[in-house]
Amino acid sequence: GDSVVQTEGQVLPSEGDSLIVNCSYETTQYPSLFWYVQYPGEGPQLHLKAMKANDKGRNKGFEAMYRKETTSFHLEKDSVQESDSAVYFCALSDGAPGGGNKLTFGTGTQLKVEL
Amino acid sequence: DAGVIQSPRHEVTEMGQEVTLRCKPISGHDYLFWYRQTMMRGLELLIYFNNNVPIDDSGMPEDRFSAKMPNASFSTLKIQPSEPRDSAVYFCASSPPIYNEQFFGPGTRLTVL
Repeated sequence: GDSVVQTEGQVLPSEGDSLIVNCSYETTQYPSLFWYVQYPGEGPQLHLKAMKANDKGRNKGFEAMYRKETTSFHLEKDSVQESDSAVYFCALSDGAPGGGNKLTFGTGTQLKVEL
Repeated sequence: DAGVIQSPRHEVTEMGQEVTLRCKPISGHDYLFWYRQTMMRGLELLIYFNNNVPIDDSGMPEDRFSAKMPNASFSTLKIQPSEPRDSAVYFCASSPPIYNEQFFGPGTRLTVL
């Protein structure tokens, strides 16, 4: 079955640091890839997405490149702000016929940006 | 658009009681998903519907859990009887027919004492 692996449970950069949050995936299909962000007391919301290989998703200074050769979709930012603090989930939609819009989520990475 | 609406936002109940969670998806979305989120297990997909028909309920933990979607604008998730280990945040999400982005509601925090 499909799977998404996020290796870091928590990252603690200082404001202004660069950031990489790792995401790797496994699927036999041709997935779309997503990063969702969850703030305290809220539901996850779409942060950025990439629909096919070599696409780059972008939002609010964050980027993620869909790399089929390494089956990765790492989330990156050059300079994090305290307001970026949240939980980030990597997810895939396998796009299989009849699979609907089902998403497979990673376990999440808590980003806490320190002042 | 109002987004996905869930009620109640918080529910505290005692073990053995019936709990009903409610969801109104975004108008025009034909997929509806129920998730459960806990610290231990993360986000788990419980069941999802397409055009009001249940498609995959393999994530429903036990027969104590049931879900219905009587029409395109309403769904319920019922737990009967509830147990302390059901305590979690339950999210409803909906998705439009073409794009596979899901839109989540604010969640219902369930506490079973």
